[in-house]
Amino acid sequence: GIQVEQSPPDLILQEGANSTLRCNFSDSVNNLQWFHQNPWGQLINLFYIPSGTKQNGRLSATTVATERYSLLYISSSQTTDSGVYFCAVDRDDKIIFGKGTRLHILP
Amino acid sequence: GAGVSQSPSNKVTEKGKDVELRCDPISGHTALYWYRQSLGQGLEFLIYFQGNSAPDKSGLPSDRFSAERTGGSVSTLTIQRTQQEDSAVYLCASSLNYDRDKQYFGPGTRLLVL
Repeated sequence: GIQVEQSPPDLILQEGANSTLRCNFSDSVNNLQWFHQNPWGQLINLFYIPSGTKQNGRLSATTVATERYSLLYISSSQTTDSGVYFCAVDRDDKIIFGKGTRLHILP
Repeated sequence: GAGVSQSPSNKVTEKGKDVELRCDPISGHTALYWYRQSLGQGLEFLIYFQGNSAPDKSGLPSDRFSAERTGGSVSTLTIQRTQQEDSAVYLCASSLNYDRDKQYFGPGTRLLVL
């Protein structure tokens, strides 16, 4: 099956810093999504991005489907950005998640 | 409007008992998804419905797990003869359509099997 790898696994940053999270996938996919799970467990869909670039406030994402990777950019990070960021790909009626990047923003 | 709701929010059961978890999606959402997250672990996809139909049930962990959706709305995930390894948070999400729209998650059901 498709492998989804996220890097880095853990990231600690000072408030105000920028960061780039990466998601690599091993085969072609129908779509790709980025999720944020806050420290209380609530999951929020950030981007639905099978290809191209999208921006939402301080967050943006780019997927290069032909090269099988996606990047999530967080600019001017805030403590509320802390949590785990998951990438998930969709293929053959299944959704496969990466193991996530745990982000901790220090005040 | 209301978001995705799940019930119960917490469930403690004894090994061997059956449990039923419920998900109420956002009104009008045709796609509904079930996931599982074990303690400190990542997310595991279980099954999705487009309308009342689940195209692929192979993501369910074992034949003790079953899911159904009626009226294109409420879904139930049933676990028969629960085992301790079934302990996890069971998450439900819905989207307007499968494979093209943003998913909205419920708060989850925390299941503990003693």
